[in-house]
Amino acid sequence: QKEVEQNSGPLSVPEGAIASLNCTYSDRGSQSFFWYRQYSGKSPELIMSIYSNGDKEDGRFTAQLNKASQYVSLLIRDSQPSDSATYLCALGNAGKSTFGDGTTLTVKP
Amino acid sequence: DAGVIQSPRHEVTEMGQEVTLRCKPISGHNSLFWYRQTMMRGLELLIYFNNNVPIDDSGMPEDRFSAKMPNASFSTLKIQPSEPRDSAVYFCASSPDRLAGGLSSTDTQYFGPGTRLTVL
Repeated sequence: QKEVEQNSGPLSVPEGAIASLNCTYSDRGSQSFFWYRQYSGKSPELIMSIYSNGDKEDGRFTAQLNKASQYVSLLIRDSQPSDSATYLCALGNAGKSTFGDGTTLTVKP
Repeated sequence: DAGVIQSPRHEVTEMGQEVTLRCKPISGHNSLFWYRQTMMRGLELLIYFNNNVPIDDSGMPEDRFSAKMPNASFSTLKIQPSEPRDSAVYFCASSPDRLAGGLSSTDTQYFGPGTRLTVL
């Protein structure tokens, strides 16, 4: 079992819809959780971090963490074509991060 | 701030040659990470340094790979000899590495633009 599991996709949503990206993890010692966005041919960039159970909102993005279920998700409201990218879930523990393989999102105009 | 700087951006070499990738982290960041990304294996952590000291090199694939961080502003990843299966994008990332309650907590990692390595 991989430490971080994500649906590889591709996930396709129409413009203006809500995109839901999910991630499960196996390491209960993980202390911090991140969502990175990676455009094709570019490097990953952080879009959300979350450290405690519950929801964290930043603009159109909401991260949700449930440590008991070992589950973290990212919701993108009012999806735009510019949101089309691969989204990497990462968890941090002991000074380093472990990344999932990513979910590719396509937002169709 | 200039961000994480990597060089070269592209490298094409022949099997058996030595390859050296370079990274300059963001000034003031204490942690530096080397990753490799391929379609088949995703983003893999190769090695990371904290305060210039290698902390975890368990991701280094084999003895052909070595990494150094002689000072806080420079790191190298060397492959000798290179093989076609080493073809990938190599990312360097740095992190400010905050201390919280006596424990290090992983903070945001800032990635460089990557080096696309092709070994023929």
